[in-house]
Amino acid sequence: DGGITQSPKYLFRKEGQNVTLSCEQNLNHDAMYWYRQDPGQGLRLIYYSQIVNDFQKGDIAEGYSVSREKKESFPLTVTSAQKNPTAFYLCATGVNQPQHFGDGTRLSIL
Amino acid sequence: GENVEQHPSTLSVQEGDSAVIKCTYSDSASNYFPWYKQELGKRPQLIIDIRSNVGEKKDQRIAVTLNKTAKHFSLHITETQPEDSAVYFCAAFQGFQKLVFGTGTRLLVSP
Repeated sequence: DGGITQSPKYLFRKEGQNVTLSCEQNLNHDAMYWYRQDPGQGLRLIYYSQIVNDFQKGDIAEGYSVSREKKESFPLTVTSAQKNPTAFYLCATGVNQPQHFGDGTRLSIL
Repeated sequence: GENVEQHPSTLSVQEGDSAVIKCTYSDSASNYFPWYKQELGKRPQLIIDIRSNVGEKKDQRIAVTLNKTAKHFSLHITETQPEDSAVYFCAAFQGFQKLVFGTGTRLLVSP
């Protein structure tokens, strides 16, 4: 969707490195979400935030961290504790329910 | 928590045929059920959704039905076209917190 910008489109992580994926929205939605998608699989929820300065763990939060300092921004950090980070990461926003997705970031290990 | 099962995992049809994808959910408190279409390498796109106070919703060649008693909902695509080929995901909204997705159905429409 045009109102959600994810960057970068492709990202490579070295072993032991933390990397941050950006998600910015101009839809004025309160709720923002991060999903992980593995090849041929469905979407699994990592973290979500209903309002600024508040966020909750999803089903697979281990090895990830987030912040929500502004309504428009919900960055995701993939830490070195996440041993298998290779996946397609999708950010979504919605009014209570996630309905709009960004174009995604494809993360790979170097 | 909510659990969503989706069937079939793959579905092949001839152009012009109908396609039906079925999902079941476990949490009776779920009240919103969207369907997404995802083309290869792209983001999921919402194609139709239904709320728990409605039994059926149609949008041109696409329809969704919901049976709250049985806790299942289905996507129906009529007069399928090759451009309908994609992976389709169902989802159930658990209260006000999060969507739980099914595992996806790969639909192939052959000319």
